[in-house]
Amino acid sequence: DAGVIQSPRHEVTEMGQEVTLRCKPISGHNSLFWYRQTMMRGLELLIYFNNNVPIDDSGMPEDRFSAKMPNASFSTLKIQPSEPRDSAVYFCASTPGRYEQYFGPGTRLTVT
Amino acid sequence: DQQVKQNSPSLSVQEGRISILNCDYTNSMFDYFLWYKKYPAEGPTFLISISSIKDKNEDGRFTVFLNKSAKHLSLHIVPSQPGDSAVYFCAANYGGSQGNLIFGKGTKLSVKP
Repeated sequence: DAGVIQSPRHEVTEMGQEVTLRCKPISGHNSLFWYRQTMMRGLELLIYFNNNVPIDDSGMPEDRFSAKMPNASFSTLKIQPSEPRDSAVYFCASTPGRYEQYFGPGTRLTVT
Repeated sequence: DQQVKQNSPSLSVQEGRISILNCDYTNSMFDYFLWYKKYPAEGPTFLISISSIKDKNEDGRFTVFLNKSAKHLSLHIVPSQPGDSAVYFCAANYGGSQGNLIFGKGTKLSVKP
């Protein structure tokens, strides 16, 4: 299995631009999670989906952030407009309904 | 408010010795605990876990101990190897296997040859 796939691996953008991060979970996994990692806050959950339905989005920092999961094999996290404080590493993870989550390699986002 | 705390940001150990990484939690509703290992430029990878109904789980060189009364868990690596050098995250779950994980901020382990 290819594991969780994230794209792009690196993204550099200017403040005010729209950013879209993509994730392909492991086939057969029914839960998908988006995390953000920063030095200050560590690894924090943004949102998670079960069977493509958003279950908890209380970690989404503000309305500039949105996430979708149109089908079982694809999810996006969008930031519009982006701000320098959004600079972080964003991870996607999936699980087949077990406690262990499988993480992708992450997208390093830099907003200048 | 941090519900999962790893109070040591870093730890340095000699190769062949024991590494002990510690984690404290505040929420008594947590029912499952996990340790993840992370290398630079990679995502965290699952290492070992323990259910709240147990106090010890062992997998090769890795053992996790859980002390529920103290709300404390630890990861022991014996013997430590240079390839174990990484950031280790403690995580706790509540809400069952469909729930989310709460992560500590991590401890960077350096194993010196």
